Amino acid sequence: AQSVAQPEDQVNVAEGNPLTVKCTYSVSGNPYLFWYVQYPNRGLQFLLKYITGDNLVKGSYGFEAEFNKSQTSFHLKKPSALVSDSALYFCAVRVLDSNYQLIWGAGTKLIIKP
Amino acid sequence: DADVTQTPRNRITKTGKRIMLECSQTKGHDRMYWYRQDPGLGLRLIYYSFDVKDINKGEISDGYSVSRQAQAKFSLSLESAIPNQTALYFCATSDVGQGETQYFGPGTRLLVL
Repeated sequence: AQSVAQPEDQVNVAEGNPLTVKCTYSVSGNPYLFWYVQYPNRGLQFLLKYITGDNLVKGSYGFEAEFNKSQTSFHLKKPSALVSDSALYFCAVRVLDSNYQLIWGAGTKLIIKP
Repeated sequence: DADVTQTPRNRITKTGKRIMLECSQTKGHDRMYWYRQDPGLGLRLIYYSFDVKDINKGEISDGYSVSRQAQAKFSLSLESAIPNQTALYFCATSDVGQGETQYFGPGTRLLVL
């Protein structure tokens, strides 16, 4: 079965330190990969996506993600965390033969401590 | 995304009641989706619609129905609400194109007593 895993329920990082939120996937075919962020009492906001091309994708708010085909991963990164980055982060994958549906990870809560 | 609105934002109802959640978008997108979010489970797709005449069941459609009244409007109904339908419900839209990024409304928090 096709799936997306976010192996960490929660990630704690000190402000100013680099952060990584992990995502791995298991799908057939070539995936389109997405990261979304959900702030408290808000809807999901699109951060970035990988379709094709350069494996390093840059997105909103200084975030970037690296597509690694051999490791089937798409980890979200930021060089220097801000307290305002504290939120819930979701990874999602679309496979072209899935009728354009997204397969979602369970989410990772990111806590940035001052 | 302010271009995708949902009403109501919060709703408390009783078991057995029929309720409707509404979604409107001004993005001009053809594709619309309804999801529910439960803690630790991520988002699960309830229904999706690729245009006014095309409606499809998602992963968890049992107990739900939808209506696509126009390109811009997509409603979700719970015919007879039950407590395990207590959740956060999101509407989303996407356009046809590379990647088809989905854009989300602010959500409706539903409590079924």
